[in-house]
Amino acid sequence: DTAVSQTPKYLVTQMGNDKSIKCEQNLGHDTMYWYKQDSKKFLKIMFSYNNKELIINETVPNRFSPKSPDKAHLNLHINSLELGDSAVYFCASRAGQGNYEQYFGPGTRLTVT
Amino acid sequence: LAKTTQPISMDSYEGQEVNITCSHNNIATNDYITWYQQFPSQGPRFIIQGYKTKVTNEVASLFIPADRKSSTLSLPRVSLSDTAVYYCLVGDVNDYKLSFGAGTTVTVRA
Repeated sequence: DTAVSQTPKYLVTQMGNDKSIKCEQNLGHDTMYWYKQDSKKFLKIMFSYNNKELIINETVPNRFSPKSPDKAHLNLHINSLELGDSAVYFCASRAGQGNYEQYFGPGTRLTVT
Repeated sequence: LAKTTQPISMDSYEGQEVNITCSHNNIATNDYITWYQQFPSQGPRFIIQGYKTKVTNEVASLFIPADRKSSTLSLPRVSLSDTAVYYCLVGDVNDYKLSFGAGTTVTVRA
């Protein structure tokens, strides 16, 4: 069973389009994250939700909007895509406070042309 | 959050021991040290975590000196499949935000 899954795995789209990436975890974790990894492998946190509530919102353009319909899902919607949005986006989950281990999804490679 | 500094890259050969040192001079009392491994085209994977002295599991060992201002991840007898990026993280277990740095790219050659 996949612990943290993301769809799609690859996403190629044109500038100006709107797209969504879905994430689901079946670990029963309370906390979920979105990270962006650029071509230099730097992994930057974007958002974190705990029990469906937003708790971390880093300096991310407001074109990016996370949505957590329930504890097991954290989706990322991106409006008006730009070339600089091209990256690999990772979803992760964590049991919550008191636990360091994060479980990452396989990533979604977004290419904006 | 404590800032961490690691080497950008390291090369090794199969069968050797690889030691990656991470500096974290401003580590706080409640901070733990955690290491992740990331293979190409995959998400990072938790390897090991420690607070002080030495921690060992089936994958690696983590050495933390008494002042805790640095830590060393030791990978014994590496193989080609250990080629990956290794990230050192330092943070309070009660923090929701655990920041990843640029990591150390370890390349194992035959």
